[in-house]
Order: sequence, then structure tokens, then C-alpha cells
Amino acid sequence: GAGVSQSPRYKVAKRGQDVALRCDPISGHVSLFWYQQALGQGPEFLTYFQNEAQLDKSGLPSDRFFAERPEGSVSTLKIQRTQQEDSAVYLCASHPSSGYGYTFGSGTRLTVV
Amino acid sequence: AQKITQTQPGMFVQEKEAVTLDCTYDTSDQSYGLFWYKQPSSGEMIFLIYQGSYDEQNATEGRYSLNFQKARKSANLVISASQLGDSAMYFCAMRGHTGANSKLTFGKGITLSVRP
Repeated sequence: GAGVSQSPRYKVAKRGQDVALRCDPISGHVSLFWYQQALGQGPEFLTYFQNEAQLDKSGLPSDRFFAERPEGSVSTLKIQRTQQEDSAVYLCASHPSSGYGYTFGSGTRLTVV
Repeated sequence: AQKITQTQPGMFVQEKEAVTLDCTYDTSDQSYGLFWYKQPSSGEMIFLIYQGSYDEQNATEGRYSLNFQKARKSANLVISASQLGDSAMYFCAMRGHTGANSKLTFGKGITLSVRP
């Protein structure tokens, strides 16, 4: 597609529920990044993929967070046993193999109640 | 480690006037890139302008220009002829020397409100 697509746009989860957030990057973009943005703050890095390889997961806040990109295109961020502090906007960005352009999706707003 | 600092409180500007949004950064990398993004209330992150650390001239993109002062480690965004649609959050960000493989480090953002 023309841009980075994220779904769902909004997600309300009960505390303890598992959620899966999807990111469909721009076709051919090698790099894919996930960020977490708390209300009123800047995005914080979670994890990075180059094709299907997860090269950096240093930003994942706990072992309840898991991300995958099995075929090097679509990525899924999974959060197990959600907690209230997981409430945030989750942004996905993709990047081609050269140049400086990161393209962001519109994000998924997760609210844990 | 990289750090971006945006300390201005909410900024207000009159329509059609210019406004400067401040950004300072810290990095030990010799090669790096600086970005400004706009985030309206709808949530999408819109790329505005990019400055490479070795670029000798300040970057410009339409009404946006970046006042890059390398020795002072500042990368201020200047918006000329403000429009009502410029009201949004603005984030300064940087990436390190590995280019496309580098994550972005963001500041906390600045809220800009344009008054009619």
C-alpha cells in the first residue's frame, strides 16, 4: 500500500487480557520499528526488525511484550496479561534500505481497563 | 546514548507570523541525523524536515526550516507564515550513525497553538 497501515485503530482490553496489534509496512521497506507513546510524551522505542530478523528488542518493557515479523513484511506486537500501565498509543514505522525517510502509521490506541 | 531535549512549554503564535521551536541534542556519534515531526490530534506522525550532521547548509522544506548549530548541539525548527492547521504537537528526534538501521530517539514534544 501507499503508507504504513496499523490495526486496530483503537483497542480496549480488560486487565489481564492478551492483545495483538498489527502493522503492515510500506511494501519493500526492510526496516520496521515499534514505538510506545504514553499520553503527552514522545514515542519510546520498543523493538526493531530488519526483514524477518529482530535485531533489537532492548526497549520492550517486560517479557509480556513480544513482537514478530515472520515473513519480513507484516509485523505483530503482542502484549500478554495487559496491565493499566500498558495503556498508550503504539506506533509502527518502516524505513527503506537507504535514505532517511521513516514513515509512521496512525498508531493503535490501547486502553486497559 | 542519545538524548533530545525540548523544554518549551506550550507555544502560541499569531496566524501568519513565524515561530521557532527549540531542540537541543546530545550524542557521542560523529554522524547522525535530526528530524522534526508533526503530530496533530488525529495521532499520525508527519515528517517535516531532516538535517544530516555533515550537511553544511540548513535544511528547508517549504515553510519549514531547520536552524542547525552543530557546536551548540541545537536544531531549532522555524515555521514561517503560520497557519491554523499548524496547531499540533511537534517532536524533535535523532538517529545515530547506522542510518536506516537506527532507531529514532524523540524529545517530549512541544504543543503549538496558532491563533487566528
